[in-house]
Amino acid sequence: AQTVTQSQPEMSVQEAETVTLSCTYDTSESDYYLFWYKQPPSRQMILVIRQEAYKQQNATENRFSVNFQKAAKSFSLKISDSQLGDAAMYFCAYIPLNDYKLSFGAGTTVTVRA
Amino acid sequence: KAGVTQTPRYLIKTRGQQVTLSCSPISGHRSVSWYQQTPGQGLQFLFEYFSETQRNKGNFPGRFSGRQFSNSRSEMNVSTLELGDSALYLCASSWASGIGEQYFGPGTRLTVT
Repeated sequence: AQTVTQSQPEMSVQEAETVTLSCTYDTSESDYYLFWYKQPPSRQMILVIRQEAYKQQNATENRFSVNFQKAAKSFSLKISDSQLGDAAMYFCAYIPLNDYKLSFGAGTTVTVRA
Repeated sequence: KAGVTQTPRYLIKTRGQQVTLSCSPISGHRSVSWYQQTPGQGLQFLFEYFSETQRNKGNFPGRFSGRQFSNSRSEMNVSTLELGDSALYLCASSWASGIGEQYFGPGTRLTVT
C-alpha cells in the first residue's frame, strides 16, 4: 500500500517570503506521478504542480517549484514570493503509472501574513 | 474549456434516506473518480470510472455506488445514509485512465442529520 506523509500540519509565512512544504511517500513502484494540490477556503481542489518520477529535473510553475528526491522518496514544494492568495491547505498526492487512485497526504495549512 | 462541474453543491439529508450526486467532467475527459473528504479521515478514494466501467473501488461499504454514462458524466449514489456519511464529495476527471493528473470539481457538501 502506498502512503503519503505530510509532517507539517500548519505553516506560516510572511508575504513575499518563501515557504517549503514537506512530503514523503512510500512505494515499491518505479513509475509514478506526484502532485501538489491547493485547496483554498472555497474547497475547490486546484492542481499546483506535477512531477513524473522518471524525470530527474524538478518541476517549476511560476513561483512554485519542487525538490524531488526519488531515492529518498521525498517531494517538497517551495512557494516563493508568497502572496495572500496562496493561503490554503496544500495536499501532496501520489499515483502509480496506470493506476486510478490518488493517495493524498493529510495536508498542510499555509497562512500568509500581510 | 469548462471545468469539472458537480451538482448539487450543498445537500442536507436525513439518516436513512438516499442521495444521488452528479459530476460532469471536462470535455474530452473519459475518466471520472470520486473522493470523500472528511476532517477525520482526510481524502479517501471511492471509485473510478472509465468508458462506463468501474475500474477500481476504495474501501467503502456497498451503500456507496456509482455509474458513468456514455457522455462520461457520472453519478454516485449513497443509500441508507448514516451520520458518518456527512462529508465533501469531490469528483475528478482526467483524459485517460491511469495517466497523469486529475482535475477536481468544486465538490458537493453533504450533511446528514
